[in-house]
Amino acid sequence: DGGITQSPKYLFRKEGQNVTLSCEQNLNHDAMYWYRQDPGQGLRLIYYSQIVNDFQKGDIAEGYSVSREKKESFPLTVTSAQKNPTAFYLCASSGTGLSQPQHFGDGTRLSIL
Amino acid sequence: GENVEQHPSTLSVQEGDSAVIKCTYSDSASNYFPWYKQELGKRPQLIIDIRSNVGEKKDQRIAVTLNKTAKHFSLHITETQPEDSAVYFCAARPSTSGTYKYIFGTGTRLKVLA
Repeated sequence: DGGITQSPKYLFRKEGQNVTLSCEQNLNHDAMYWYRQDPGQGLRLIYYSQIVNDFQKGDIAEGYSVSREKKESFPLTVTSAQKNPTAFYLCASSGTGLSQPQHFGDGTRLSIL
Repeated sequence: GENVEQHPSTLSVQEGDSAVIKCTYSDSASNYFPWYKQELGKRPQLIIDIRSNVGEKKDQRIAVTLNKTAKHFSLHITETQPEDSAVYFCAARPSTSGTYKYIFGTGTRLKVLA
């Protein structure tokens, strides 16, 4: 969906380094989400936010942090505490009404150097 | 807790045959059920969805059925084509507590053999 932009497309992290993945949407959606996808696996929820300045932990929040200072933006920081960060990271957004599907960005592939 | 089980994990069909993927959800308050298709290395894309007050929805070769009593919903693809090969995810959105969290199934890898 052209309304959600993730950057960069590829990212490399050195040991002990924090890295930040960007997610911007122009769909005027209140809710935003971060998922991690390992090869051949499903989507695991890291964090989600239903409104500006508020966010909740998902199923695998340890080693990650987020902020939601603007409606359009929901950056994800992968901290050095995340010992196995290599994965495909997907950002999504949705409206908060009934029957509102999630729209996904193109993803960021993170690898360890 | 909330859970969505998806079966089978892999499915191979001959081109032109039908494919069926099944999901079962645990939260009876779930009211919205989207299906996503994900091609290798790409984003999941919505292909069809259904609300809890509807039993069946069809869009060309794709249909979804919902059985609320059994907490079960299925994706049906008819006249499969090689370009249908992808991973398919079902999802359920619980309506409790005002949460907008989606619960995803673990995915089905569909291979359409030419």
